[in-house]
Amino acid sequence: TQLLEQSPQFLSIQEGENLTVYCNSSSVFSSLQWYRQEPGEGPVLLVTVVTGGEVKKLKRLTFQFGDARKDSSLHITAAQPGDTGLYLCAGPVTTDSWGKLQFGAGTQVVVTP
Amino acid sequence: ETGVTQTPRHLVMGMTNKKSLKCEQHLGHNAMYWYKQSAKKPLELMFVYNFKEQTENNSVPSRFSPECPNSSHLFLHLHTLQPEDSALYLCASSHGARQPQHFGDGTRLSIL
Repeated sequence: TQLLEQSPQFLSIQEGENLTVYCNSSSVFSSLQWYRQEPGEGPVLLVTVVTGGEVKKLKRLTFQFGDARKDSSLHITAAQPGDTGLYLCAGPVTTDSWGKLQFGAGTQVVVTP
Repeated sequence: ETGVTQTPRHLVMGMTNKKSLKCEQHLGHNAMYWYKQSAKKPLELMFVYNFKEQTENNSVPSRFSPECPNSSHLFLHLHTLQPEDSALYLCASSHGARQPQHFGDGTRLSIL
């Protein structure tokens, strides 16, 4: 089983601070996806990283895929209350012909004004 | 508007009841999924349908019965559920294998 471990489980910060959350595995993934799930809603895709070492930016969010494609990080600069949510990483299970997604348990981020 | 609509949003039922969850996608996707989301646990994939054909049944108890009449609609029929089945049930769709998935907002299920 290709497990994805996310850390920390919970993060509470003040508006304007920076934060980083991590997604780690002992297995290689062909790609990783990051989702954000806000209270009362389903997860929404933020980004997909495909190439080892790739860095993608989405406004104040910076996503990095590890060189070995076993880990990824999400850095938020100057966090806003609207960044509050559960951040999930997911990757396709390579041993599965359909390529179903394996999800991590998520990092709950709370940004207070 | 997520493009994937789930009803009802909340459901409270007794262990002897029979109910159904509904999912509809308006994105033209060919694959649809049911997930179970419990607190502090990864999303658990329950069922996958590709072009109306079930391609995955992830060792889900028979008290959960999926139905996919066409590529746009997916149902989850529930009967004789247990308290541990209380969770958020999410439906998702995608263009195909390994593609990003679009989720509905889920049905919050509580078993009394």
